Amino acid sequence: QSALTQPPSASGSPGQSVTISCTGTSSDVGGYNYVSWYQQHPGKAPKLMIYEVSKRPSGVPDRFSGSKSGNTASLTVSGLQAEDEADYYCSSYAGSTYVFGTGTKVTVL
Amino acid sequence: QVQLQESGPGLVKPSETLSLTCTVSGGSISSYYWSWIRQPAGKGLEWIGRIYTSGSTNYNPSLKSRVTMSVDTSKNQFSLKLSSVTAADTAVYYCARAKAMGFDYWGQGTLVTVSS
Repeated sequence: QSALTQPPSASGSPGQSVTISCTGTSSDVGGYNYVSWYQQHPGKAPKLMIYEVSKRPSGVPDRFSGSKSGNTASLTVSGLQAEDEADYYCSSYAGSTYVFGTGTKVTVL
Repeated sequence: QVQLQESGPGLVKPSETLSLTCTVSGGSISSYYWSWIRQPAGKGLEWIGRIYTSGSTNYNPSLKSRVTMSVDTSKNQFSLKLSSVTAADTAVYYCARAKAMGFDYWGQGTLVTVSS
């Protein structure tokens, strides 16, 4: 069970968009529509931002969107705001277990 | 609103057993899976395992030999035991409600340091 692969960093200016990839295998990302994304600010617990690939929990801005193609899932943050600067982690259900991504630090320039 | 709170010793000696409890409030622990997740300082998240309220468990294969989870529905609590700890087990430990779709409620996390 290897960690899902994410780019270490991503950045964008306020108002721009940033997309983070999350690459797994057919045993996790590719095998289930149960990819979720988490936002984590320093010293805080992760917060669920996207579930089931593209669904947003109540209260999460529609600037956050998710998608999946094959073994790779993606999170897009549109209209970047200063408060979006954080670490982002993907996660996939893998049939009674879960695996997290390596994490991406998003910087708002 | 469901809330989770981790509790347990913040310092554990090498080779001993780490023990943590998560107390769930604002809702019943029944009919859900509950997970433990950890994060070493400056590193990513690692799923440790999950337990259903029936007591059924699933563990991360890399930790399976050292992990035991249990649940006490009468107290709305579930627990983690990690044996034979080393410095590599030093991390912030989170408890969370686990659904196939993801982890929707998290505790604030508790730092456990393994040191003599």
